[in-house]
Amino acid sequence: SAVISQKPSRDICQRGTSLTIQCQVDSQVTMMFWYRQQPGQSLTLIATANQGSEATYESGFVIDKFPISRPNLTFSTLTVSNMSPEDSSIYLCSAFSGQSYTGELFFGEGSRLTVL
Amino acid sequence: EDQVTQSPEALRLQEGESSSLNCSYTVSGLRGLFWYRQDPGKGPEFLFTLYSAGEEKEKERLKATLTKKESFLHITAPKPEDSATYLCAVTTSGTYKYIFGTGTRLKVLA
Repeated sequence: SAVISQKPSRDICQRGTSLTIQCQVDSQVTMMFWYRQQPGQSLTLIATANQGSEATYESGFVIDKFPISRPNLTFSTLTVSNMSPEDSSIYLCSAFSGQSYTGELFFGEGSRLTVL
Repeated sequence: EDQVTQSPEALRLQEGESSSLNCSYTVSGLRGLFWYRQDPGKGPEFLFTLYSAGEEKEKERLKATLTKKESFLHITAPKPEDSATYLCAVTTSGTYKYIFGTGTRLKVLA
């Protein structure tokens, strides 16, 4: 398994500002993922972050809005840029265990952002 | 289009009142079906993986089953601490991506 820590756990932000969310895994993992969970909706994949390459973004998400870093095999960041109230959501970091590309996905506790 | 639908959206049970949650899927080439539990303010916690029709997994009061079109999460004699949102997700052949349902919010009353 993988234990995933995220910070901040929650934040209240002003419109137009940016916030960076950090994700730390307790072991080396190949694939890391960032999800968004809006109230009453399912988890939506934002992007896949692999170490040593550019993040791969899903339809509807762009690098300028959600830049991602993956400097090593245990750490990643997601920045939510130029925030608007529509960005208020829970952002979740996740990973497969070790070098796996399949199987159980492990999640962090989430970062709840409120944009005023 | 691959799709996962969970029902009901919300469920209230009395303590000890057994019931089942449903996860229906329409995908091309199921590779795995996953159940998660999510408590308020927390990330999803992995419960079960099912890979083939007829497979069953159990953990305490929970039992997950799988057919070719749907999965059930059976909750036997639930307790208030079983209250949570239960999420279902699938992966398909040729991709590592999960497709999540919207979840069932379960409330067990003492």
